[in-house]
Amino acid sequence: EIVLTQSPATLSLSPGERATFSCRASQSVSSYLAWYQQKPGQAPRLLIYDASNRATGIPARFSGSGSGTDFTLTISSLEPEDFAVYYCQHRSNPETFGQGTKVEIK
Amino acid sequence: EVQLLESGGGLVQPGGSLRLSCAASGFTFSTYAMSWVRQAPGKGLEWVSGISGSGDSTYYVDSVKGRFTISRDNSKNTLYLLMNSLRAEDTAVYYCAKRDQYWYFDLWGRGTLVTVSS
Repeated sequence: EIVLTQSPATLSLSPGERATFSCRASQSVSSYLAWYQQKPGQAPRLLIYDASNRATGIPARFSGSGSGTDFTLTISSLEPEDFAVYYCQHRSNPETFGQGTKVEIK
Repeated sequence: EVQLLESGGGLVQPGGSLRLSCAASGFTFSTYAMSWVRQAPGKGLEWVSGISGSGDSTYYVDSVKGRFTISRDNSKNTLYLLMNSLRAEDTAVYYCAKRDQYWYFDLWGRGTLVTVSS
């Protein structure tokens, strides 16, 4: 089973700043990785699929990169609504999620 | 409107059973694989079970194998999760989620809370 490790656990930033966080896989997942955003009390929302493709309706400030075992999600300039928890996920059987990175207001 | 709406959660004693439902609307339900994903209080996401569009293939995380059964009724656009022999560690919000053509979860319901406690 592939394990996804996200870092850091928490990122404290101000609106307008750039956010960068990581997802590392225990073995190669090629480009089969997605990123989700979850706000308190809400369901997750798909942001990025296949490592670098934005899902429908996702703003251009969100970008994903990486392949193999190392992946990055970048938010170029944080908006107030971007403060949330972000999860990476590898499409597999069984499905695996990372433990999440919380982006909080500094 | 494209949406998923879960129901059936609640408080159940350890060893008890519960059946969750997920009503789909706004898309051709039978075309898409579906899954259940849960989130324990204050914790991350855990995939629980999946089913193909036709219902012929089903998948489970090891911790629920033999206790949970996923199924679907494409004539009613509804996904189910029958949960037996429930344990305290099954306490979570259970989300149903639709897989897109790339096999990721592009549509989620709002979730239903299952609490296993005496």
